[in-house]
Amino acid sequence: KNQVEQSPQSLIILEGKNCTLQCNYTVSPFSNLRWYKQDTGRGPVSLTIMTFSENTKSNGRYTATLDADTKQSSLHITASQLSDSASYICVVSAEGAAGNKLTFGGGTRVLVKP
Amino acid sequence: DTGVSQDPRHKITKRGQNVTFRCDPISEHNRLYWYRQTLGQGPEFLTYFQNEAQLEKSRLLSDRFSAERPKGSFSTLEIQRTEQGDSAMYLCASSLAPSGYNEQFFGPGTRLTVL
Repeated sequence: KNQVEQSPQSLIILEGKNCTLQCNYTVSPFSNLRWYKQDTGRGPVSLTIMTFSENTKSNGRYTATLDADTKQSSLHITASQLSDSASYICVVSAEGAAGNKLTFGGGTRVLVKP
Repeated sequence: DTGVSQDPRHKITKRGQNVTFRCDPISEHNRLYWYRQTLGQGPEFLTYFQNEAQLEKSRLLSDRFSAERPKGSFSTLEIQRTEQGDSAMYLCASSLAPSGYNEQFFGPGTRLTVL
């Protein structure tokens, strides 16, 4: 069964600090992995998309890594800002999946405090 | 076109009533997806359309749920005889396929509360 597990479930960090979120997946055959940011009460917004051959991808202060061998990904937030408070969802797409159905993780809720 | 839009943003209804949500995708996108998201969880796939054809439905989509995309543009999701367990955020997403990553762009969601 395709699954995506994220850790931690939630975390609190001080403004200006860095943090790293983890994602483990068992989706096969793997097509791509995405990180989304979801503000409370809003739809998810894509941060990064990585394919099998990509190890790292950055979007501003967000840097995602992918280890396709161990089926792990991380999202690193540098110099956090109050606006980074949101849920971060790891999403994996299986190759050939009908309609490219996505398998979503449960998300990590990040709270940035001043 | 500013992205995927959904209407209404919030809906409160009494158990047993019917509700209908609308999704307007990004104009050139041929695929449209419906998801359900409960508090603290990631979205769960419900169904998707390629143009006007409904190609797949999840087992989560009971017979009280029906989705349509009559002209291959906007879509509606109807829930009949609502139950308290239907309370959730209903997300719509659209994509252009085939293309690259087939990236899905999400709407803001409709939050349903069944009393």
